Amino acid sequence: GQQLNQSPQSMFIQEGEDVSMNCTSSSIFNTWLWYKQEPGEGPVLLIALYKAGELTSNGRLTAQFGITRKDSFLNISASIPSDVGIYFCAGRHVYNAGGTSYGKLTFGQGTILTVHP
Amino acid sequence: DGGITQSPKYLFRKEGQNVTLSCEQNLNHDAMYWYRQDPGQGLRLIYYSQIVNDFQKGDIAEGYSVSREKKESFPLTVTSAQKNPTAFYLCASSIGGQGNTEAFFGQGTRLTVV
Repeated sequence: GQQLNQSPQSMFIQEGEDVSMNCTSSSIFNTWLWYKQEPGEGPVLLIALYKAGELTSNGRLTAQFGITRKDSFLNISASIPSDVGIYFCAGRHVYNAGGTSYGKLTFGQGTILTVHP
Repeated sequence: DGGITQSPKYLFRKEGQNVTLSCEQNLNHDAMYWYRQDPGQGLRLIYYSQIVNDFQKGDIAEGYSVSREKKESFPLTVTSAQKNPTAFYLCASSIGGQGNTEAFFGQGTRLTVV
């Protein structure tokens, strides 16, 4: 199956700093998604990317779908304490079988973000 | 309000017992997914379903079973064959197909074997 490598595994930063994390894949994805998960909760969708080269922002968050379709990055500007959590990338690969389109999400291992006030 | 609901939030199971985790969505989504999350790790796909009465094994399907008799519901059974079932289980849904493919997650069920 697809392999997704997410880095860094963890980050410890000061409030106000910018953050950058990325995911690379061994194969092509049709869609890239970025999620944030807080302890004991389900992941919440932050940004969705559908086309190679697409650059999308959501407040202080910016994400890009790599030109090769095998990578994506997420930037957080001017971090604040409530940015703390685990950030996951996810790629979706679509394939056809028996006339039906199937797709499944593959997740990265997550980046644990800690923000010191 | 539309959403995806998992129940219960916490579940305790004795060794050797089967247990079923509930996942219901009222988003009219075709696709539904089950993931397992272990401490400090990412999400691993157990099973997914693109349409009613159809489902596919994910990366770690052994010891689990699912059914998709209704569009709204995708229950996961953790069987006694699952050797290490203690984990956080997450259900998700998406519109499916090749269109809008964001997946939305439930709040999760934490299963503990005692």
